Amino acid sequence: EPEVTQTPSHQVTQMGQEVILRCVPISNHLYFYWYRQILGQKVEFLVSFYNNEISEKSEIFDDQFSVERPDGSNFTLKIRSTKLEDSAMYFCASSEVGSWGYTFGSGTRLTVV
Amino acid sequence: KNEVEQSPQNLTAQEGEFITINCSYSVGISALHWLQQHPGGGIVSLFMLSSGKKKHGRLIATINIQEKHSSLHITASHPRDSAVYICVGDKLIFGTGTRLQVFP
Repeated sequence: EPEVTQTPSHQVTQMGQEVILRCVPISNHLYFYWYRQILGQKVEFLVSFYNNEISEKSEIFDDQFSVERPDGSNFTLKIRSTKLEDSAMYFCASSEVGSWGYTFGSGTRLTVV
Repeated sequence: KNEVEQSPQNLTAQEGEFITINCSYSVGISALHWLQQHPGGGIVSLFMLSSGKKKHGRLIATINIQEKHSSLHITASHPRDSAVYICVGDKLIFGTGTRLQVFP
């Protein structure tokens, strides 16, 4: 069964450093999403991406964040100048049709120290 | 604000019990998603529905768009059903989740 792949599974970074979280969506999917889940809290939507541009973003997704589809397969989330409160599990998802039939990746646990 | 609320927040059951998890939302949506988050953190999509009822194995999901309510039922619950169950509206707003623990 097709799956969404996220790498790395766990990343530790120093406060102030930049991190790039990588996702390989399902190949025929057109919509891509990033979510995060701070430990003990609910999952929060960050951003959706379609047709090589951001289609929707939450208040959390400020100038510190950016997304990119650098080639035909990868979808990345860049976090500049990481803060302690950025520590969370970051999930990527993709869907064939917007807001329907999400497939989630297994997540990247980001720890900022 | 489009709030998605789930009840109960925590649920414990004995193996074999019938489980119901409820989801209510404050504004109209056209579809709703039920997700399962395993203890290790991974998320699996269970159902996506916009009307009526869907069934997959021991899982049943219902939705009433007019009443802004959806339910997830688990028949003959099993310890491996222990997880957090999350409903998500099509406006990408997540519920807080229901933590289910099924004991043998």
